[in-house]
Amino acid sequence: GENVEQHPSTLSVQEGDSAVIKCTYSDSASNYFPWYKQELGKGPQLIIDIRSNVGEKKDQRIAVTLNKTAKHFSLHITETQPEDSAVYFCAASKGHGAGSYQLTFGKGTKLSVIP
Amino acid sequence: SAVISQKPSRDICQRGTSLTIQCQVDSQVTMMFWYRQQPGQSLTLIATANQGSEATYESGFVIDKFPISRPNLTFSTLTVSNMSPEDSSIYLCSVERGRGGTEAFFGQGTRLTVV
Repeated sequence: GENVEQHPSTLSVQEGDSAVIKCTYSDSASNYFPWYKQELGKGPQLIIDIRSNVGEKKDQRIAVTLNKTAKHFSLHITETQPEDSAVYFCAASKGHGAGSYQLTFGKGTKLSVIP
Repeated sequence: SAVISQKPSRDICQRGTSLTIQCQVDSQVTMMFWYRQQPGQSLTLIATANQGSEATYESGFVIDKFPISRPNLTFSTLTVSNMSPEDSSIYLCSVERGRGGTEAFFGQGTRLTVV
């Protein structure tokens, strides 16, 4: 089955700096790669995703890149703010449509943004 | 997105007892998913629940321990049976929605402590 590795497990950055979290996946058939943010006491929240027909996607301060050949994808957060502090999970799926997705999650990265 | 409500949000239970967790979605969905998140760990899929059929369990999870109901297209329950301290986890309900049906959204989770 699919295996998703995520690094680093913890990351501390100064406010205003950038943060990068990297994931690799094992199944070349995976084609959907979401990122989730989980704050303390809450469920994971989808923040951005990318599909295998796209190499990069950006949403304000957040961007995700995908390298299908190398089977890795990364989350980039620029101009970090204290409210970005949370645990971030990457995931991979082979889903093509309704009823066919199954997410495999990485182990998570605890991001701390120091004011 | 989807609005997913889980009840209870947290509970402390005696070993040997059972707890039923409810998940209500704001609109009809084909599939609902139940995840377990052990303390400080990533998310592991327990089972997939379709309306009108038996749930499909992942390796390591069995129906006798985690019976699931899916009586309609907006509601599901997960029961954690004959609990032991090792069952202490966050249990999360999830649905898929969006383009291609591959975007997953999560409830806030049920934090279970077994003593």
